[in-house]
Amino acid sequence: DVKVTQSSRYLVKRTGEKVFLECVQDMDHENMFWYRQDPGLGLRLIYFSYDVKMKEKGDIPEGYSVSREKKERFSLILESASTNQTSMYLCASSEDYLYEQYFGPGTRLTVT
Amino acid sequence: GIQVEQSPPDLILQEGANSTLRCNFSDSVNNLQWFHQNPWGQLINLFYIPSGTKQNGRLSATTVATERYSLLYISSSQTTDSGVYFCAVELTRAGSYQLTFGKGTKLSVIP
Repeated sequence: DVKVTQSSRYLVKRTGEKVFLECVQDMDHENMFWYRQDPGLGLRLIYFSYDVKMKEKGDIPEGYSVSREKKERFSLILESASTNQTSMYLCASSEDYLYEQYFGPGTRLTVT
Repeated sequence: GIQVEQSPPDLILQEGANSTLRCNFSDSVNNLQWFHQNPWGQLINLFYIPSGTKQNGRLSATTVATERYSLLYISSSQTTDSGVYFCAVELTRAGSYQLTFGKGTKLSVIP
């Protein structure tokens, strides 16, 4: 079974802090993704990566950056957290283009 | 961008009842997935079904790509089926990678 893990289930940070969310997959998948989920807005893609050190912007990249130094690990970085980044963050991975995406358990981030 | 519409937005069922959830999409797609989001927020893969019909236990799905819709059938519903069901599609475009999600159908199964 594909396993995607995320570093925290719940996280509380203060405005202005630098925040790291980490995601690890154990299936040697090429592609990894970061989404955020908000009530009424659904799931929206922040960034994705199709290879080590490669990244592409999704629909809502503003205020975020990403890092993929190793194939199995994809990090989402909030350089200076703001209250409007309070959300559920979901990581996913897929073997390749047009393959199934598998999701991690999510991180509920609260920025106060 | 592509539009993905799910219906109904909310559904309440008595345990044991059957239901059909619908997903309409506005463009040609090469990837369509159905997910179930449990109360803890985990998205669980149900089907990868860009076309055709698949069955897995009490659940089955059909995608008619030429008519741009997909259906998820739940038979003999159980309280554990409660949660939000999402349809997500990926456009027929080289290297698009991006899944676009519908807003979901919230299912409540009552004993």
